[in-house]
Amino acid sequence: AQSVTQPDIHITVSEGASLELRCNYSYGATPYLFWYVQSPGQGLQLLLKYFSGDTLVQGIKGFEAEFKRSQSSFNLRKPSVHWSDAAEYFCAVGAQAGTALIFGKGTTLSVSS
Amino acid sequence: SQTIHQWPATLVQPVGSPLSLECTVEGTSNPNLYWYRQAAGRGLQLLFYSVGIGQISSEVPQNLSASRPQDRQFILSSKKLLLSDSGFYLCAWSVMRSYNEQFFGPGTRLTVL
Repeated sequence: AQSVTQPDIHITVSEGASLELRCNYSYGATPYLFWYVQSPGQGLQLLLKYFSGDTLVQGIKGFEAEFKRSQSSFNLRKPSVHWSDAAEYFCAVGAQAGTALIFGKGTTLSVSS
Repeated sequence: SQTIHQWPATLVQPVGSPLSLECTVEGTSNPNLYWYRQAAGRGLQLLFYSVGIGQISSEVPQNLSASRPQDRQFILSSKKLLLSDSGFYLCAWSVMRSYNEQFFGPGTRLTVL
C-alpha cells in the first residue's frame, strides 16, 4: 500500500537560513509526487510536482524538490527562508489517474527573526 | 481559469443537528471531486471521492455522507452531527485521467458543540 512519511512534525528555521523538509514514500512503481503548502485557516496550494524526467523540480516561491528513487525520498528545499514561508507543508503521493492522493501528516514550519 | 468554492466558510452546530457543506467548481468539466477532513495534528483524511455524477466512493466509515447531484457540485452531509465531526473540511478537484494533481478549495471550519 502507498504511504507517505514526513518525519519532522515541527521545524524552526531562522529567516535567511536554508530549509529542507523531508518526505519519504512507499510505492511499488514510479510515483507522482507533490508538495503543498497551507497557511493557517486556508486551503492547500500546490508548490511543485514530480511526474517523470528531471529529478530536480522547481516550484513556486523559490522552492525546489529532488526525487531520489534509491532513497524513496522527495525532500523540499529552499536556499533562503522568508518569514512569509511559515506555514504547514504536506507531501503527497499519487498512483493511478482518478484515485486520490495520499498525504503525509505535515510539517509545521516556523521562521524566527 | 478554474476556481473552486466552498461554503460556508465557518459553521458552529450543536451535537445531533444536520449538516450540509457545499463545494462547486467552475471552469472545468467532468472533474474528480474529493472531500477531506483535517483535524489538528492528524494531517488530511480522505472522506469521499467522486469520478462522476452519482458516483461516490467512501474511504472511511463514519457519520457523514456525500452526494454529487451535478457535474461540478459536491455536497457533504450528516443527519446527526457528533462532537468528533469537528474539523476543517476541504474540497478538492482534479482533471479526469490526469496525474492526480489536485486543487483545493478554501475550506470550511466546522465546530460541533
